[in-house]
Amino acid sequence: EVHLVESGGGLVQPGGSLRLSCAASGFTFSTYDMNWVRQAPGKGLEWISYISFSSSAKYYADSVKGRFTISRDNAKNSLFLQMSSLRAEDTALYYCASAWSGYYFNSWGQGTQVTVSS
Amino acid sequence: DIVMTQSPESLAVSLGEGATISCKSSQSLFYSSNNKNYLAWYRQKPGQPPKLLIYWASTRESGVPDRFSGSGSGTDFTLTISSLQAEDVAVYYCQQYYGTPYTFGQGTKLEIK
Repeated sequence: EVHLVESGGGLVQPGGSLRLSCAASGFTFSTYDMNWVRQAPGKGLEWISYISFSSSAKYYADSVKGRFTISRDNAKNSLFLQMSSLRAEDTALYYCASAWSGYYFNSWGQGTQVTVSS
Repeated sequence: DIVMTQSPESLAVSLGEGATISCKSSQSLFYSSNNKNYLAWYRQKPGQPPKLLIYWASTRESGVPDRFSGSGSGTDFTLTISSLQAEDVAVYYCQQYYGTPYTFGQGTKLEIK
């Protein structure tokens, strides 16, 4: 069974940094592209970043470009999101999601909460 | 960016009745080289992550009940639930994966009447 577990969220001050992790199991992680998607409280879904299975391609939403960095470690079945210069509007539940061949998001984790506040 | 617009924003349907959700994209999601529409539907129950229901606009994900169906092509798509069950209370999202930034519709909240 596919299992994605996010961690690393928490309360951080504006301008601060945070590193999210996503541990994958139950599938061949190294053959799947991965994404981060966030959901602000009471709002809809916002895609923020993509990484190809080999890390050769990385894409970002304009809202996080230059501040967030996506990476992965296939040997450890792990996905990461390094977030810096955090703003109040980054407050959200952050999900990792696998994407077969970079297409539809076939599996999602439960999410990790990030709150940016002073 | 491709803008995804869903309608209605909310919908109340009686148990056993059908429900239809529309999704329109600001540009075509049809890729002629493989004859596919790059459109997915997700269901998000309260307090849970989204779950994939439909991909390629009309292909049902494994394990998804056959009361869920997707249709449409180009810029106009529809998710149909043929006979509403209590567990279908959720917010439904369409999403385009034609190109980055991947974008979602604003969501349609489905409730029981």
